[in-house]
Amino acid sequence: DAKTTQPNSMESNEEEPVHLPCNHSTISGTDYIHWYRQLPSQGPEYVIHGLTSNVNNRMASLAIAEDRKSSTLILHRATLRDAAVYYCILRGYGGSQGNLIFGKGTKLSVKP
Amino acid sequence: GAGVSQSPSNKVTEKGKDVELRCDPISGHTALYWYRQSLGQGLEFLIYFQGNSAPDKSGLPSDRFSAERTGGSVSTLTIQRTQQEDSAVYLCASSTRTGGDYGYTFGSGTRLTVV
Repeated sequence: DAKTTQPNSMESNEEEPVHLPCNHSTISGTDYIHWYRQLPSQGPEYVIHGLTSNVNNRMASLAIAEDRKSSTLILHRATLRDAAVYYCILRGYGGSQGNLIFGKGTKLSVKP
Repeated sequence: GAGVSQSPSNKVTEKGKDVELRCDPISGHTALYWYRQSLGQGLEFLIYFQGNSAPDKSGLPSDRFSAERTGGSVSTLTIQRTQQEDSAVYLCASSTRTGGDYGYTFGSGTRLTVV
Protein backbone atom coordinates (compact mmCIF):
# COMPACT_ATOMS: atom_id res chain seq x y z
CA ASP A 1 0.00 0.00 0.00
CA ALA A 2 1.18 3.48 -0.77
CA LYS A 3 1.90 5.28 2.49
CA THR A 4 2.63 8.79 3.64
CA THR A 5 5.06 10.22 6.17
CA GLN A 6 4.28 13.35 8.15
CA PRO A 7 5.89 15.06 11.15
CA ASN A 8 4.13 14.20 14.39
CA SER A 9 3.60 17.82 15.38
CA MET A 10 4.16 21.40 14.29
CA GLU A 11 3.66 24.79 15.86
CA SER A 12 2.65 28.05 14.26
CA ASN A 13 1.87 31.57 15.32
CA GLU A 14 -1.52 33.03 14.63
CA GLU A 15 -1.83 34.94 11.33
CA GLU A 16 1.39 33.43 9.96
CA PRO A 17 1.53 30.97 7.06
CA VAL A 18 1.90 27.28 7.82
CA HIS A 19 3.50 24.70 5.55
CA LEU A 20 2.64 21.12 6.43
CA PRO A 21 4.86 18.61 4.60
CA CYS A 22 4.04 15.10 3.47
CA ASN A 23 6.26 12.49 1.83
CA HIS A 24 4.78 9.77 -0.35
CA SER A 25 7.68 8.25 -2.22
CA THR A 26 5.75 5.12 -3.30
CA ILE A 27 2.83 6.99 -4.83
CA SER A 28 1.38 5.40 -7.96
CA GLY A 29 0.32 7.23 -11.09
CA THR A 30 -3.40 7.00 -10.27
CA ASP A 31 -3.18 8.02 -6.59
CA TYR A 32 -4.71 11.33 -5.64
CA ILE A 33 -3.23 13.25 -2.69
CA HIS A 34 -5.91 14.10 -0.15
CA TRP A 35 -5.70 16.24 2.98
CA TYR A 36 -8.16 16.07 5.84
CA ARG A 37 -8.12 17.66 9.24
CA GLN A 38 -9.71 16.69 12.51
CA LEU A 39 -10.55 19.30 15.08
CA PRO A 40 -10.86 18.18 18.70
CA SER A 41 -13.97 16.06 19.35
CA GLN A 42 -15.09 16.23 15.71
CA GLY A 43 -15.06 13.95 12.70
CA PRO A 44 -12.45 14.53 9.99
CA GLU A 45 -13.08 17.34 7.56
CA TYR A 46 -12.04 17.39 3.91
CA VAL A 47 -9.50 20.13 3.15
CA ILE A 48 -8.18 19.69 -0.37
CA HIS A 49 -6.95 17.15 -2.89
CA GLY A 50 -4.95 17.05 -6.09
CA LEU A 51 -3.24 14.80 -8.62
CA THR A 52 -0.37 16.61 -10.32
CA SER A 53 -1.00 20.34 -10.42
CA ASN A 54 -1.06 22.70 -7.47
CA VAL A 55 -4.55 23.35 -6.14
CA ASN A 56 -6.15 26.24 -4.31
CA ASN A 57 -9.45 26.50 -2.49
CA ARG A 58 -10.96 28.69 0.19
CA MET A 59 -9.38 26.67 2.96
CA ALA A 60 -5.84 26.05 1.77
CA SER A 61 -3.40 25.47 -1.07
CA LEU A 62 -1.77 22.21 -2.06
CA ALA A 63 1.67 22.26 -3.61
CA ILE A 64 2.68 19.00 -5.29
CA ALA A 65 6.27 18.23 -6.19
CA GLU A 66 7.02 17.63 -9.85
CA ASP A 67 7.89 13.98 -9.18
CA ARG A 68 4.81 13.67 -6.92
CA LYS A 69 6.85 12.07 -4.17
CA SER A 70 5.99 14.86 -1.75
CA SER A 71 3.42 17.56 -1.21
CA THR A 72 2.83 20.51 1.10
CA LEU A 73 -0.42 21.80 2.53
CA ILE A 74 -0.29 25.56 2.91
CA LEU A 75 -2.50 27.51 5.30
CA HIS A 76 -1.96 31.10 4.28
CA ARG A 77 -2.86 32.73 7.61
CA ALA A 78 -3.23 30.38 10.53
CA THR A 79 -6.01 31.05 13.00
CA LEU A 80 -6.66 29.46 16.38
CA ARG A 81 -9.45 27.47 14.72
CA ASP A 82 -6.89 25.78 12.48
CA ALA A 83 -5.43 23.88 15.44
CA ALA A 84 -6.13 20.27 14.49
CA VAL A 85 -4.59 17.01 13.36
CA TYR A 86 -3.87 17.16 9.63
CA TYR A 87 -3.84 13.94 7.64
CA CYS A 88 -2.16 13.48 4.27
CA ILE A 89 -3.63 10.44 2.52
CA LEU A 90 -3.28 8.80 -0.87
CA ARG A 91 -6.53 7.75 -2.49
CA GLY A 92 -6.42 5.24 -5.31
CA TYR A 93 -8.77 4.76 -8.20
CA GLY A 94 -11.97 2.87 -7.54
CA GLY A 95 -12.98 -0.07 -5.36
CA SER A 96 -10.98 -0.74 -2.24
CA GLN A 97 -8.17 1.35 -3.64
CA GLY A 98 -10.47 4.29 -3.01
CA ASN A 99 -10.52 3.71 0.73
CA LEU A 100 -8.87 6.40 2.80
CA ILE A 101 -6.26 4.85 5.07
CA PHE A 102 -5.46 7.30 7.85
CA GLY A 103 -2.01 7.51 9.42
CA LYS A 104 -1.17 9.42 12.59
CA GLY A 105 -1.14 12.84 10.90
CA THR A 106 0.48 16.08 12.05
CA LYS A 107 -0.86 17.79 15.14
CA LEU A 108 -0.80 21.52 14.45
CA SER A 109 -0.75 23.90 17.40
CA VAL A 110 -1.44 27.60 16.80
CA LYS A 111 -0.19 30.13 19.32
CA PRO A 112 -1.92 33.50 19.74
CA GLY B 1 -29.86 16.34 4.38
CA ALA B 2 -26.93 18.64 3.94
CA GLY B 3 -24.44 16.43 5.72
CA VAL B 4 -23.82 12.91 6.98
CA SER B 5 -26.04 12.22 9.96
CA GLN B 6 -25.19 9.68 12.64
CA SER B 7 -27.28 8.50 15.54
CA PRO B 8 -27.16 8.24 18.42
CA SER B 9 -24.43 10.76 19.14
CA ASN B 10 -23.63 8.97 22.38
CA LYS B 11 -24.36 5.43 23.51
CA VAL B 12 -23.55 3.77 26.80
CA THR B 13 -24.14 0.05 26.93
CA GLU B 14 -23.41 -2.82 29.25
CA LYS B 15 -20.82 -5.40 28.34
CA GLY B 16 -22.42 -8.28 26.46
CA LYS B 17 -25.30 -6.27 25.02
CA ASP B 18 -25.83 -5.67 21.30
CA VAL B 19 -25.81 -2.15 19.84
CA GLU B 20 -26.87 -0.63 16.54
CA LEU B 21 -25.35 2.54 15.15
CA ARG B 22 -27.02 4.37 12.29
CA CYS B 23 -25.59 6.43 9.44
CA ASP B 24 -27.61 8.52 7.00
CA PRO B 25 -25.31 9.58 4.14
CA ILE B 26 -25.61 12.58 1.89
CA SER B 27 -28.35 12.02 -0.66
CA GLY B 28 -26.94 10.69 -3.90
CA HIS B 29 -23.64 9.52 -2.43
CA THR B 30 -23.10 5.97 -3.60
CA ALA B 31 -20.09 5.15 -1.42
CA LEU B 32 -20.38 4.77 2.36
CA TYR B 33 -17.60 4.02 4.84
CA TRP B 34 -17.39 3.13 8.51
CA TYR B 35 -14.35 3.92 10.65
CA ARG B 36 -13.69 3.81 14.36
CA GLN B 37 -11.37 5.89 16.47
CA SER B 38 -10.30 4.78 19.91
CA LEU B 39 -9.29 7.41 22.45
CA GLY B 40 -6.13 9.18 21.33
CA GLN B 41 -5.72 6.90 18.33
CA GLY B 42 -6.00 7.28 14.57
CA LEU B 43 -8.91 6.23 12.40
CA GLU B 44 -9.31 2.53 11.72
CA PHE B 45 -11.16 1.50 8.55
CA LEU B 46 -13.97 -1.00 9.18
CA ILE B 47 -16.15 -1.51 6.10
CA TYR B 48 -17.23 0.20 2.89
CA PHE B 49 -20.24 -0.02 0.60
CA GLN B 50 -20.37 1.02 -3.06
CA GLY B 51 -23.76 0.95 -4.77
CA ASN B 52 -25.06 -2.60 -5.13
CA SER B 53 -21.63 -4.22 -5.00
CA ALA B 54 -20.66 -6.62 -2.22
CA PRO B 55 -19.23 -4.59 0.68
CA ASP B 56 -15.54 -4.60 1.52
CA LYS B 57 -15.53 -6.02 5.05
CA SER B 58 -11.77 -6.38 5.32
CA GLY B 59 -11.48 -3.99 8.27
CA LEU B 60 -14.05 -5.54 10.57
CA PRO B 61 -12.13 -6.63 13.70
CA SER B 62 -14.24 -9.69 14.52
CA ASP B 63 -17.41 -11.54 13.56
CA ARG B 64 -19.25 -9.64 16.29
CA PHE B 65 -19.25 -6.68 13.91
CA SER B 66 -21.57 -6.49 10.92
CA ALA B 67 -23.07 -3.77 8.77
CA GLU B 68 -25.91 -3.37 6.33
CA ARG B 69 -26.87 -0.73 3.87
CA THR B 70 -30.50 -0.73 2.86
CA GLY B 71 -31.70 0.70 -0.43
CA GLY B 72 -28.31 2.14 -1.15
CA SER B 73 -28.83 4.79 1.51
CA VAL B 74 -28.99 4.35 5.29
CA SER B 75 -26.45 2.05 6.91
CA THR B 76 -26.50 0.29 10.26
CA LEU B 77 -23.39 -0.98 12.04
CA THR B 78 -24.20 -3.70 14.55
CA ILE B 79 -21.90 -4.85 17.32
CA GLN B 80 -22.99 -8.03 19.09
CA ARG B 81 -21.95 -8.99 22.61
CA THR B 82 -20.10 -5.74 23.14
CA GLN B 83 -16.75 -5.76 24.91
CA GLN B 84 -14.97 -2.92 26.68
CA GLU B 85 -12.39 -2.72 23.89
CA ASP B 86 -15.23 -1.78 21.52
CA SER B 87 -15.46 1.60 23.27
CA ALA B 88 -14.59 4.20 20.63
CA VAL B 89 -16.03 6.86 18.37
CA TYR B 90 -17.61 5.26 15.32
CA LEU B 91 -17.47 7.51 12.27
CA CYS B 92 -19.38 7.21 9.05
CA ALA B 93 -18.42 8.93 5.79
CA SER B 94 -19.93 9.09 2.34
CA SER B 95 -18.59 10.01 -1.07
CA THR B 96 -20.01 10.63 -4.50
CA ARG B 97 -17.83 7.94 -6.02
CA THR B 98 -14.95 5.77 -4.97
CA GLY B 99 -12.54 7.31 -7.44
CA GLY B 100 -9.56 9.24 -6.15
CA ASP B 101 -10.93 12.52 -7.44
CA TYR B 102 -13.71 12.63 -4.86
CA GLY B 103 -13.51 13.64 -1.23
CA TYR B 104 -15.25 12.13 1.76
CA THR B 105 -17.76 13.85 4.01
CA PHE B 106 -17.72 12.58 7.58
CA GLY B 107 -20.46 12.60 10.16
CA SER B 108 -19.88 13.71 13.73
CA GLY B 109 -19.68 10.15 14.96
CA THR B 110 -21.26 8.00 17.66
CA ARG B 111 -19.34 7.79 20.90
CA LEU B 112 -19.81 4.25 22.22
CA THR B 113 -18.94 3.46 25.81
CA VAL B 114 -19.12 -0.13 27.01
CA VAL B 115 -19.27 -0.44 30.79
